[in-house]
Amino acid sequence: DQQVKQNSPSLSVQEGRISILNCDYTNSMFDYFLWYKKYPAEGPTFLISISSIKDKNEDGRFTVFLNKSAKHLSLHIVPSQPGDSAVYFCAARESFGNEKLTFGTGTRLTIIP
Amino acid sequence: NAGVTQTPKFRVLKTGQSMTLLCAQDMNHEYMYWYRQDPGMGLRLIHYSVGEGTTAKGEVPDGYNVSRLKKQNFLLGLESAAPSQTSVYFCASSSPGSGRYNEQFFGPGTRLTVL
Repeated sequence: DQQVKQNSPSLSVQEGRISILNCDYTNSMFDYFLWYKKYPAEGPTFLISISSIKDKNEDGRFTVFLNKSAKHLSLHIVPSQPGDSAVYFCAARESFGNEKLTFGTGTRLTIIP
Repeated sequence: NAGVTQTPKFRVLKTGQSMTLLCAQDMNHEYMYWYRQDPGMGLRLIHYSVGEGTTAKGEVPDGYNVSRLKKQNFLLGLESAAPSQTSVYFCASSSPGSGRYNEQFFGPGTRLTVL
């Protein structure tokens, strides 16, 4: 039972345009959501997060939107740059869950110069 | 600070052999985790620890054992390796208040192949 779903395995975007990565979840106990970025042969690195009490969090070129009623979040990257080419994982955490994360399957983003 | 380090980086085992993967962190984090990453599956939690001397099962614990004898180290053991355990293994650590958002910090991974 996949509690965090990333239905797009891959996405290609022109450099300078907006990249939108989507994530859906089923567990209503999730109260904190994170995005990680992963380059080949490296470990995932934290990118941005959002608490369930907010609907938007912005950090430079990265913005995460949360729609709690739809159990959906999205990551917007604008403008997209070649260095953004990576695999992006959505992750979710339950309150009082010992900080455990449940990850989605990832979306491979390719920025086309 | 080295952050989270993993040893070894690569390993090839034969079915039935045993091995131990070592994770070390120098951030004084309370929590440590072992994940495996398989194609199309994302990262799945194997075992985790909320403090020195404690361990708990994650989503896919079968075939693995762990130990946390020292706060900075978290060991993952495979007693009798099977081809299904071919994967990339990631260790992570965190603490309440770590980073900007209590996020987990990951090591570079260990690529394990079981023949």
